[in-house]
Formats: sequence, C-alpha cells, structure tokens
Amino acid sequence: NAGVTQTPKFRILKIGQSMTLQCTQDMNHNYMYWYRQDPGMGLKLIYYSVGAGITDKGEVPNGYNVSRSTTEDFPLRLELAAPSQTSVYFCASTSDTNNSPLHFGNGTRLTVT
Amino acid sequence: QKEVEQDPGPLSVPEGAIVSLNCTYSNSAFQYFMWYRQYSRKGPELLMYTYSSGNKEDGRFTAQVDKSSKYISLFIRDSQPSDSATYLCAMSVTGGFKTIFGAGTRLFVKA
Repeated sequence: NAGVTQTPKFRILKIGQSMTLQCTQDMNHNYMYWYRQDPGMGLKLIYYSVGAGITDKGEVPNGYNVSRSTTEDFPLRLELAAPSQTSVYFCASTSDTNNSPLHFGNGTRLTVT
Repeated sequence: QKEVEQDPGPLSVPEGAIVSLNCTYSNSAFQYFMWYRQYSRKGPELLMYTYSSGNKEDGRFTAQVDKSSKYISLFIRDSQPSDSATYLCAMSVTGGFKTIFGAGTRLFVKA
C-alpha cells in the first residue's frame, strides 16, 4: 500500500517558469490537501478538495491552481514561478472530516531562482 | 496573534531525559488535538490524537489537553536518539478537515 505519492521529489525552476506537482493516493480518500512548509512557519494550507470535481482555496492560494478530476489525483499547478514559492510542498489526504488523521506524502522540494 | 503558537526550538536533551513539548492556541472551538512527528526529508506522520480535554498515553508518549488554558502538551519519557525529529502540534474544529498546524519544535536527543 503506497499511501500518498508525490512527484517529483526535487525541482529547480527559473522565475516565470511553470510546473505541475503531482499527487496521487491509493486509499480511496475523498479529502485531499496541498500544504507548503517554510522554515519556522509550520504547514500552510494552499488548496483542498472534498471530492472529485470540487476544490477550494486555503490560506495561501495565490500563484497556485489545482484540479481534481479523479478521486486518486490532486495535482498542484504553479504558473509564473516566483522566488516566494521556494518551499517544500506536501500533499495529504484523509477519509472523512472527523476522527481521521491526515496522511502525508514525502514532499516536493522546490527552489525558484 | 497566530491561531496556534509553538516554540520552534531547537530543543536538545540527553538520551533518557523526559521531554516536554507545548503549544498554545486561541480558537476555543478546536476539539481535535494532534501531534505529528516529522523526520528529516519526510512527510509528517500522526503520533498522538486526542479528542477534547484530558490525557492520552501510548507507550513512552503522553498527550495532554487543557482546554480551559488553551494549552496542549506532549511528553516523551526515556527519550531515545530515534526520537530526534520535528514535532508539530495540530488542531481542528472538525477532525482532519482544515487542520491548523503549529510551527513545529525541532528535537535533538543526544546519545
């Protein structure tokens, strides 16, 4: 059972480039999330989804877009990358709203120069 | 004021010590309180989960929630070098949905 899988593990982008961070889960979870983690700042929610076809903004959505065409996949799109988007990005999933912990992937380390 | 406050450390202790990690929060509606452990270059993983107030023990780990003081703690007894990691407190009004995380405390346990 793979859990939550994120690709790529590392990426370096130039300012203005675009990329998609991939996230897939095999636990049939309806709820999926994208967080970014900056040193000393904890995890900030970027976008979340409560099911296929449904997405919503989190705390820090600017500069990002998401889609959820299937239960398994929840890609995060960066358009016009900026140095402020240098961070570690984590995808997570959970089965329902109550009494269910978040399951995290191992992250994508992104550097924008 | 942040919703969840956590001292980022680092905290360095000798092997065998009792470790106390703490968080304070401002939202009295939080009902679910969690501690996640994050090893270097890995994603966070759930360590302890408590609903509402009280204590919960699991092996060497004890989680305490004091809702009257808006204060939660994680105690690690007989700490081991393998406990060296970042510990993130987390809380939510409705369980996993929209979990709010603390900054994380980096712990080093020296052999």
